Amino acid sequence: EDQVTQSPEALRLQEGESSSLNCSYTVSGLRGLFWYRQDPGKGPEFLFTLYSAGEEKEKERLKATLTKKESFLHITAPKPEDSATYLCAVQASWTGGFKTIFGAGTRLFVKA
Amino acid sequence: KAGVTQTPRYLIKTRGQQVTLSCSPISGHRSVSWYQQTPGQGLQFLFEYFSETQRNKGNFPGRFSGRQFSNSRSEMNVSTLELGDSALYLCASSSDRGPYEQYFGPGTRLTVT
Repeated sequence: EDQVTQSPEALRLQEGESSSLNCSYTVSGLRGLFWYRQDPGKGPEFLFTLYSAGEEKEKERLKATLTKKESFLHITAPKPEDSATYLCAVQASWTGGFKTIFGAGTRLFVKA
Repeated sequence: KAGVTQTPRYLIKTRGQQVTLSCSPISGHRSVSWYQQTPGQGLQFLFEYFSETQRNKGNFPGRFSGRQFSNSRSEMNVSTLELGDSALYLCASSSDRGPYEQYFGPGTRLTVT
């Protein structure tokens, strides 16, 4: 069964303390892996798309990487404003089109 | 370029009533997907529309339905509301020619009492 698992569920960091969030997946026919940021009560905000193993994308303090079975979102020297829920989603080919499966997310808290 | 818009932003309904939510995608996007988000279940896929046709459907009861118009705007309807339907309903649009990431609207917060 296609599945996306994110870990940890919650992560508490001090400002400046770098860390990584994990997204592991089992799908067939991967079309792309996406990272989103979601603030409370708002819609997810697109961050990155990764298409193939070995690919990396960077934006400010965030860097996303992809292997054949998992993706990592590295946060370097985080600031309190990086506090949010980070969602990973996998898009796979499916009968008649494609399907997108979201992980449960990692809630990140960054303390000043 | 304007983002995805959803109306209304907030709704309070009573059990047994029905509700219609609206979504306008990013200009040029023909794929519109709907999701239900609750604290316990996370983001759950409802259905996806492309060129006025439902292309994909999640595991929700028939009380949940949708449609897409020729201008790609989409609506979803929930009939016979239940308390468990209280959630944030999110609409997302994407280009079908790649890249395939979805862009989300702000959501409609539905409360069923």
